[in-house]
Amino acid sequence: GAGVSQTPSNKVTEKGKYVELRCDPISGHTALYWYRQSLGQGPEFLIYFQGTGAADDSGLPNDRFFAVRPEGSVSTLKIQRTERGDSAVYLCASSLGGAAGELFFGEGSRLTVL
Amino acid sequence: GQSLEQPSEVTAVEGAIVQINCTYQTSGFYGLSWYQQHDGGAPTFLSYNALDGLEETGRFSSFLSRSDSYGYLLLQELQMKDSASYFCAVRGEGGGNKLTFGTGTQLKVEL
Repeated sequence: GAGVSQTPSNKVTEKGKYVELRCDPISGHTALYWYRQSLGQGPEFLIYFQGTGAADDSGLPNDRFFAVRPEGSVSTLKIQRTERGDSAVYLCASSLGGAAGELFFGEGSRLTVL
Repeated sequence: GQSLEQPSEVTAVEGAIVQINCTYQTSGFYGLSWYQQHDGGAPTFLSYNALDGLEETGRFSSFLSRSDSYGYLLLQELQMKDSASYFCAVRGEGGGNKLTFGTGTQLKVEL
């Protein structure tokens, strides 16, 4: 595809429910990143993948959050037992290995936990 | 850890020049990036500085001083469409393109 694609664009769920957010990166980009952004804040790093493996998951806030990238392309961010504080825009980005400092972001998935 | 500081808001008139500053504290430093984000949109890459000095890309320029842990984004010939949030982001410890973002500067361009 032409850019990073994220689905759903909007997700409203109830506290305690399970949520999956999907990211389809730019074809050929080996690195994939998940960030989340609250209103008026900058993107906050969650996890990044190099190929199929999580190279750095230090930003995941707790064990309710998990992400996978089984074939080195599409990634899914999974949130268990959602809480109201999880409400945010979840951004996915991808990059080429040699393009330092340049991430290509998707439009994000807006998660609202009621 | 890493932290970045930038002004929360800047206002300028169309056609003017504006500078958005960014200071950072980081353990491990590989470069400083700048991103633009319009309301409801995706952050888009503007520039990246790994070495000291000025990088120019059209109307936008970015500067880095590693000894001062400081950088800035310079926007010239401001246009109304430049009204957006601007984020500096440090490529630091962790490798790859893992970026730590500042809280952003909201730029308002007025007639």
